[in-house]
Amino acid sequence: QITLKESGPTLVRPTQTLSLTCTLSGVSLSATGVGVGWIRQPPGKPLEWLAHIYWDGDDLYSPSLRRRLSIAKATSGDHVFLTLTNVDPLDSATYYCALTRASLTGPSFDFWGPGTLVSVSS
Amino acid sequence: QSVVTQPPSVSGAPGQRATISCTGTDSNIGAHYDVHWYQHIPGTAPKLIISTNSDRPSGVPERFSASKSGTSASLVISGLQAEDEGDYYCQSYDSNVRGWVFGGGTKLTVL
Repeated sequence: QITLKESGPTLVRPTQTLSLTCTLSGVSLSATGVGVGWIRQPPGKPLEWLAHIYWDGDDLYSPSLRRRLSIAKATSGDHVFLTLTNVDPLDSATYYCALTRASLTGPSFDFWGPGTLVSVSS
Repeated sequence: QSVVTQPPSVSGAPGQRATISCTGTDSNIGAHYDVHWYQHIPGTAPKLIISTNSDRPSGVPERFSASKSGTSASLVISGLQAEDEGDYYCQSYDSNVRGWVFGGGTKLTVL
């Protein structure tokens, strides 16, 4: 059974760095073709893709947030990390991690974590 | 503003059919990237209900179907049930973004 779970702080102060962890179970990011993406949803707004990392370490970022985002994976293949620097109240959102599998025509997010709600406030 | 557009809302009575459109551009849907659909019930994680334009993952009812043509795609929900209420998102890959793009989401109300 494949599961993902996000963890991290619920409250972050403006200008600080947000660090989130995605823990994978039942699948490893060491397996060929597997990838993990981060998606967020601010209150009342649609889903927004943030970043993605593949099994081989290749990473992609949303152009609008590229300068502030960093994604990495544990060598063990069971954790993915996301950092967002210089946060602002507009970064308040539910953050999800989700699993992709090999596709040449644009993979889907097949499995999602339950999400973690992050508030940015002083 | 999303590069992939959806109607903000659709509605239908129980038993009726609802259609949600998804309009992209030549850098995403029109570039032959697959379209995927998600159901998002507030307070829960989004759930993949259609992958690769028209495939239903295991466990998704047959009344969910979808298609893609040119730069657009459509999700059809036949025989609406109260439990279908929620937000629906289409998603594709975009060569200009070099990443994933979601539609703006459509709120489905079962009257």
